[in-house]
Amino acid sequence: NAGVTQTPKFRILKIGQSMTLQCAQDMNHNYMYWYRQDPGMGLKLIYYSVGAGITDKGEVPNGYNVSRSTTEDFPLRLELAAPSQTSVYFCASSYSDRRTGELFFGEGSRLTVL
Amino acid sequence: QKEVEQDPGPLSVPEGAIVSLNCTYSNSAFQYFMWYRQYSRKGPELLMYTYSSGNKEDGRFTAQVDKSSKYISLFIRDSQPSDSATYLCAMSAEIGGEYGNKLVFGAGTILRVKS
Repeated sequence: NAGVTQTPKFRILKIGQSMTLQCAQDMNHNYMYWYRQDPGMGLKLIYYSVGAGITDKGEVPNGYNVSRSTTEDFPLRLELAAPSQTSVYFCASSYSDRRTGELFFGEGSRLTVL
Repeated sequence: QKEVEQDPGPLSVPEGAIVSLNCTYSNSAFQYFMWYRQYSRKGPELLMYTYSSGNKEDGRFTAQVDKSSKYISLFIRDSQPSDSATYLCAMSAEIGGEYGNKLVFGAGTILRVKS
């Protein structure tokens, strides 16, 4: 199992450009999440999904969009990139039943907006 | 006031030392507590999970929860250079399902263990 795979690992964008961060998991998890991690701020939830076709906003959704057409994939779209979106983005997934609370994270995508 | 407070460090200790990492929180509804370890340029991975108050031990690691004080700790005995990482506490009032949208993370403490 590859677990949670994120691409690209690094990207530099100019202000106003758009891009999609890709996330795929092969653990058949229903629940998937996008977090951003900024220095000294912890992980903040951007969007999450409870299954194919169902998504919902997290704590910091502005400037982002998501879709979930399959169980495996959960891409994050950045529209009109702004310097405030410079961050490390983590995709995560979890089981649907009551377990240990474990989220499985990808290795992250480092985005710089200049 | 942040819902979860965690000293960002960095905390630098010699190999073999006992390390204490701590978080305080304000939401009395939290009852599920986790510690994630994050190596440089990697995603977080679950290290310890505890429910409600008390201690839980796993090898060199002990997680402690004091709900009366709203304080949780992670102790690392006989610390090793391979323990050098960022340690994030996380907590939630519920578990299971899509609870990940209700998980609150601390900012993380950077730990460096010197050989």
